[in-house]
Amino acid sequence: ETGVTQTPRHLVMGMTNKKSLKCEQHLGHNAMYWYKQSAKKPLELMFVYSLEERVENNSVPSRFSPECPNSSHLFLHLHTLQPEDSALYLCASSQELGGLSGEKLFFGSGTQLSVL
Amino acid sequence: GDSVTQMEGPVTLSEEAFLTINCTYTATGYPSLFWYVQYPGEGLQLLLKATKADDKGSNKGFEATYRKETTSFHLEKGSVQVSDSAVYFCALRSNAGGTSYGKLTFGQGTILTVHP
Repeated sequence: ETGVTQTPRHLVMGMTNKKSLKCEQHLGHNAMYWYKQSAKKPLELMFVYSLEERVENNSVPSRFSPECPNSSHLFLHLHTLQPEDSALYLCASSQELGGLSGEKLFFGSGTQLSVL
Repeated sequence: GDSVTQMEGPVTLSEEAFLTINCTYTATGYPSLFWYVQYPGEGLQLLLKATKADDKGSNKGFEATYRKETTSFHLEKGSVQVSDSAVYFCALRSNAGGTSYGKLTFGQGTILTVHP
């Protein structure tokens, strides 16, 4: 148990659906991240938030929309996705964004997304 | 840009065999290097790290040595157990200029399966 909880664990959606992924951490961390894990590809950093402000959008298509309402919660809103967006979406947090405390990321178990 | 390349998997070993998972990197400056492990159904967790050349990171019987001359950080374990079955990710954190906070760049992961 890493202290980072993601829901749902599994999600199947059609290309016209709208859904949201949720991430919650009660570690008192100030930085949160969304990563995309696809088979045989490097883990892809999607978004980075520090103190609820987005500090990086790693060329992610607009059909993915993040939201960080407070330092404990992070959402990823999904709409009009494509089949190639099927992947495991991982949320992570770290104590701070930079410095030594930014080196250790705590990951959730992920949401396995299938787009039909 | 920064990149991490891991050996292709999957790797299948018998219990008590010797493990090596190769990792090489490309980065500017002097990055910190990490191995993260992802057990089945869980998120990634930090296994070990090294922050400068010739440093050796170690944890749970795993070791990796930061080799600047070969830009490598190979993961080794002398005697693997069934419980070591997981996906192993090599990662780096650049300490050069550019992105001020030093984001983590991951490899594609190597699946390890250990049989009794």
